Amino acid sequence: DQQVKQNSPSLSVQEGRISILNCDYTNSMFDYFLWYKKYPAEGPTFLISISSIKDKNEDGRFTVFLNKSAKHLSLHIVPSQPGDSAVYFCAASEGNSGNTPLVFGKGTRLSVIA
Amino acid sequence: GAVVSQHPSWVICKSGTSVKIECRSLDFQATTMFWYRQFPKQSLMLMATSNEGSKATYEQGVEKDKFLINHASLTLSTLTVTSAHPEDSSFYICSAREYPRNSPLHFGNGTRLTVT
Repeated sequence: DQQVKQNSPSLSVQEGRISILNCDYTNSMFDYFLWYKKYPAEGPTFLISISSIKDKNEDGRFTVFLNKSAKHLSLHIVPSQPGDSAVYFCAASEGNSGNTPLVFGKGTRLSVIA
Repeated sequence: GAVVSQHPSWVICKSGTSVKIECRSLDFQATTMFWYRQFPKQSLMLMATSNEGSKATYEQGVEKDKFLINHASLTLSTLTVTSAHPEDSSFYICSAREYPRNSPLHFGNGTRLTVT
């Protein structure tokens, strides 16, 4: 049973436009959410996070939106750049203490076309 | 920012041999490290939680006698795949979080294990 779901395995966007990556979760105990970016044969790189007390967090071109009632979050990248092409993983945890692991979705492969 | 170093980045071994993968936190202390595995086009699956100075906690379905974890210091955890088989071929990634600060998990660059 997958607790974090990314239903779109891939997404193609033109350079300069907005990329929207979606993520749904089923565990209502999750209260900390993160997005990671991953290139092939490399470990994931942290992008942005949000705790359940917020519904939006912005960092430069990246914005994460959280809808707790719908158990849904999304990552917006604007404007999209070719260097953003990678696999994006949504992750969630119960709390953010030192011994709390993350549960990952299957990832969405974003291709930004020049 | 926090850096997690993982070594080796890739390894090819024969069936039946053992392989050790090291995970180091370079600029912070980590009482807890996490080991994940990723199969092609799949998610990162948590294998075990490595605790400094005590036994690791394994996820359901992960054999603790096959995947030996040792967390001997606050900056080093090792994963040993014992008696490796071709089905153990995968991408293994470790991660750690700065302690005592609350911060995102930082990941190593992963180890691609191929068992022939």
